[in-house]
Order: sequence, then structure tokens, then C-alpha cells
Amino acid sequence: AQSVTQPDIHITVSEGASLELRCNYSYGATPYLFWYVQSPGQGLQLLLKYFSGDTLVQGIKGFEAEFKRSQSSFNLRKPSVHWSDAAEYFCAVVNPSGGSNYKLTFGKGTLLTVNP
Amino acid sequence: GAGVSQTPSNKVTEKGKYVELRCDPISGHTALYWYRQSLGQGPEFLIYFQGTGAADDSGLPNDRFFAVRPEGSVSTLKIQRTERGDSAVYLCASSATAQETQYFGPGTRLLVL
Repeated sequence: AQSVTQPDIHITVSEGASLELRCNYSYGATPYLFWYVQSPGQGLQLLLKYFSGDTLVQGIKGFEAEFKRSQSSFNLRKPSVHWSDAAEYFCAVVNPSGGSNYKLTFGKGTLLTVNP
Repeated sequence: GAGVSQTPSNKVTEKGKYVELRCDPISGHTALYWYRQSLGQGPEFLIYFQGTGAADDSGLPNDRFFAVRPEGSVSTLKIQRTERGDSAVYLCASSATAQETQYFGPGTRLLVL
């Protein structure tokens, strides 16, 4: 079964510092890949997604992610973090083949704290 | 336009009671999904509707859980004989079609005492 691993449960960075959140997936073929952000009391918001093509994907709020097939990774990055980026971040995958190409499988999330 | 809305935002109930959780998807979205998010976990898939029919209910944990979408718009997740382990945030999402971006509601936080 496919799975998603986010190795870091909690990350703290200073405002203005760069950020990288890690995501690894376990699946035979290349899945569709997503990053969502969840702020307290808010629904999950899609930051970016990768289906195919250019392996560097640009998203909203200044985020980007890079798909690396050899490492089965899809890490999220931001060059300069803002205090408003404090939230929980979820990596998710979809199996594009078979009959379940709608079912998101999520990692356990990484909680981001931003220090002033 | 309006996003996905869910009511109630919070629900406290006693063990053994019946609860209903409501989801209003984005207008015109044919696909609707329910996920459950337990404390410290990512959301887990429960059920997917295409129109009025449940196309995939493989994530429902047992037969105490049931969901309907009678007119292809609003959906209700029903939980019978609630147990303390049912306590979680129940998230609803919708998408224009099954392969398109899923937009999530704010969730209903269910606490079973």
C-alpha cells in the first residue's frame, strides 16, 4: 500500500529564515503529489501539486517543491519564512492508476513554528 | 464564491448516541469526499461520492458509519452508537470532478464523552 512519510513532526525557524519540509512516499509508480497547509480553525488549503513534467513546482504564498524520483521525495521549500506561515503542513499522494485516482493519502504532518 | 461549509463546527455527544454531520460543497462540484483526522494524524479517507451515489466507501471504519448525498449536493455523515474512539475532526472536501483539486471545509470537531 502506498504511504507518505513526513519525518519531522515539529520544526521551528526564525522569521526570514529559509524552510524545507521533507516528504517521502512509498509507491511503485510515480503518484500525484500535493502539499496542503492547515491553520488553526481553517480547512486544508492546497499549496501546490505535481502530476508530471517540470519537477520544480511553484505554489501559492511563495512556496515551491521539488520532485526527486530517485529519492522518492517531494520536499517543500520557502526561501524566507513569514510569521503567518506558522501552521501544520501535510504532504499527500494520489495513485493515478487503477480506480482510486481521487483518494488522497496524507502524511502525519509537520507543525511549523515561526519565531520572531 | 462560497467555499465548502460544514456544520456544526463542534459537536459534543455521549457514548452510544447518534450524530449527524453536514457538508455543503462548492456549488456545481459533483465529487464530494469525507475524511477523518485524529489527533496528531493526517486526514484519512472515509468515502467518496460522485453525484448522488457513494462510489467508494472503503474507508468507513465499520457499519456504524453511513453517509448520504440524496440530491447530489449536501452530504450528511451519520454515526450510530458513537464510541470514544470516534472523537476526531471530520473533514469534507469537494471537487469539480474526481481528478481535480479537492477543496476542504473547516471540519467538524466531534468529541464523544
